[in-house]
Amino acid sequence: AQTVTQSQPEMSVQEAETVTLSCTYDTSESDYYLFWYKQPPSRQMILVIRQEAYKQQNATENRFSVNFQKAAKSFSLKISDSQLGDAAMYFCAYRSASATNKLIFGTGTLLAVQP
Amino acid sequence: GAVVSQHPSRVICKSGTSVKIECRSLDFQATTMFWYRQFPKQSLMLMATSNEGSKATYEQGVEKDKFLINHASLTLSTLTVTSAHPEDSSFYICSAGTSGGAVEQFFGPGTRLTVL
Repeated sequence: AQTVTQSQPEMSVQEAETVTLSCTYDTSESDYYLFWYKQPPSRQMILVIRQEAYKQQNATENRFSVNFQKAAKSFSLKISDSQLGDAAMYFCAYRSASATNKLIFGTGTLLAVQP
Repeated sequence: GAVVSQHPSRVICKSGTSVKIECRSLDFQATTMFWYRQFPKQSLMLMATSNEGSKATYEQGVEKDKFLINHASLTLSTLTVTSAHPEDSSFYICSAGTSGGAVEQFFGPGTRLTVL
C-alpha cells in the first residue's frame, strides 16, 4: 500500500523569504501523480501544484515549485517570496495512475508566515 | 470552471437523528465522487468512493450502514449520517472527478457537523 509522510507538523517563514516543505512517499508503482494542496482557515482545499511521475522536469507554478526526486521518493514544495496569504495547512498527496483516482494524503504541515 | 458545492455548510443535530449532506458538481459531470472526513488539525481520511449509478466503495473501518452514500446522478452525491452520535461530529468534505483518466479532483468547501 502507498503511504505519504510529512515530517514537519509546523513550519514558520518570514514574509518575502523562502520555505521548503518536505514530503516523502512509498510506492511500488512506477506511474503516479503527486500533488500539493493548500487548506487555508476556510477549510477549502486548493490545488497548489501537481507532478506527473513520468516527467523529469520539476513542476512550477509562479512562486511555487517542487523538487521531485523519484529514486528517493521525495517531493518537496518550495514557496518563494512568501506572502501572508500563504499561511495555511499544506498537504502532500499521492495518486496512482491506475483506474482509481483515489488520493492518499500526508498528515499535513501547518505553515505560519510572520510579517 | 470545475466548481463543487456542498450543502449545508454547517449543521447541528441531536444525537440519534440522521443528517444528509449534499455534494454537487456545478459545471461538469462527476463520474466519481469521494467523501472525506477531517478531524481538527488532522489530515483528510477517505471514507468512500462513489461512482454514478453504482454502489459506493467504502474504506476499511468505515461503516456502510452508518454512512449511506448515494450517487444518483452525474452532478449529485449525498452522504447520510444515520443515527448520528457526538463522535460523528467532524468536518466532511466531498470531491469530484471526471472520467477519461482525468487526474484532478475538485473539492467542495466542506460541511461541519456537530452532534449534540
